[in-house]
Amino acid sequence: KAGVTQTPRYLIKTRGQQVTLSCSPISGHRSVSWYQQTPGQGLQFLFEYFSETQRNKGNFPGRFSGRQFSNSRSEMNVSTLELGDSALYLCASSRGPRSGNTIYFGEGSWLTVV
Amino acid sequence: GESVGLHLPTLSVQEGDNSIINCAYSNSASDYFIWYKQESGKGPQFIIDIRSNMDKRQGQRVTVLLNKTVKHLSLQIAATQPGDSAVYFCAEMGASQGGSEKLVFGKGTKLTVNP
Repeated sequence: KAGVTQTPRYLIKTRGQQVTLSCSPISGHRSVSWYQQTPGQGLQFLFEYFSETQRNKGNFPGRFSGRQFSNSRSEMNVSTLELGDSALYLCASSRGPRSGNTIYFGEGSWLTVV
Repeated sequence: GESVGLHLPTLSVQEGDNSIINCAYSNSASDYFIWYKQESGKGPQFIIDIRSNMDKRQGQRVTVLLNKTVKHLSLQIAATQPGDSAVYFCAEMGASQGGSEKLVFGKGTKLTVNP
């Protein structure tokens, strides 16, 4: 059974550009969450989706957005990139919501903004 | 200003010893707790979880203890192996949250196992 798949794994962008990251959850999982991990702030919640609806949103500027498709796959977008957006972006999935099932993470997308 | 990295607590143990990693959580209303292991360059890997109606849960070589009175969580690893070297995070999920599964993570503890 395939795990949570994130693409791309590594990418370099220039300040001011925008980026789209993709996440395919584990088969049968309908809940997808995104987290940002940096050395300075640790793991921070970005947003959460279930049945194409955003259930919760973290304390990030509006430049960060996401969506979920009918097949549960999810994308997140960061517009007008800043140097501080350099981070590991992690996607997690579960059968959700609050179904008592385990939340699994993907390997992440490493974003470097130069 | 200059970004300062998180100061991760560290734990160094000898191979074969037992390890205990501690975590203090913040929300007394949290009802679900998870331990994750993160190796360098990889995403967090689920280890074990526990609900607030329990105070102990055991897995293979791992045990999680929950003390709700002092809001403390611990992960015990028996017979620690070099492959256990990683950063360990505790995460809490608040009760209800309108159905949200948002996790709040601790800062992490870096475990080093010496052969």
